[in-house]
Amino acid sequence: AQKVTQAQTEISVVEKEDVTLDCVYETRDTTYYLFWYKQPPSGELVFLIRRNSFDEQNEISGRYSWNFQKSTSSFNFTITASQVVDSAVYFCALSENDYKLSFGAGTTVTVRA
Amino acid sequence: GAVVSQHPSWVICKSGTSVKIECRSLDFQATTMFWYRQFPKQSLMLMATSNEGSKATYEQGVEKDKFLINHASLTLSTLTVTSAHPEDSSFYICSVTDSGTGYSDTQYFGPGTRLTVL
Repeated sequence: AQKVTQAQTEISVVEKEDVTLDCVYETRDTTYYLFWYKQPPSGELVFLIRRNSFDEQNEISGRYSWNFQKSTSSFNFTITASQVVDSAVYFCALSENDYKLSFGAGTTVTVRA
Repeated sequence: GAVVSQHPSWVICKSGTSVKIECRSLDFQATTMFWYRQFPKQSLMLMATSNEGSKATYEQGVEKDKFLINHASLTLSTLTVTSAHPEDSSFYICSVTDSGTGYSDTQYFGPGTRLTVL
């Protein structure tokens, strides 16, 4: 069964638009971690954020923000005022007690100038 | 975050040959490393977990005799694709965690190695 679902395959926006990436996860563990990674065309995965299951505070880092809601098992990611450099594939991932990462299918974001 | 390197960044080989890919943790000692494979336009699939000084743990469906993993030191893990075939062509990515810092649950990834088998 898919543990992490990213329903949006591709999103295309014009520069300066906001874009929200959805992530829904499934786990029976009470302790788990959620991540977002960015994979630009170069291929290297860039770590963006880690959130543990006991911390439901939303977080903002520059133009990036994350909304974690345990009630709906969602960990959504918003890019505000998108830029062309934000064009990449974004992966949501889940780590449970054995610390293995289960990745979602990824969402390709294309920001047009 | 951790700095991870991989070598080579890309390799082309003939069918039947073996290819070794190196993953190095440059700025801290990595007790655990992970190897992933990513096919075009797909997500990352975990192949195996490599622990320093012990045998790697392979995921279901991954042939351990075909994908040899060695984690001989705290800074180096190698993946050898033996008798490579065209279907092994993929993007191989390693990641590291450092159990000692308490951030073992954060994985930092290398730049990846693109393998093309002719």
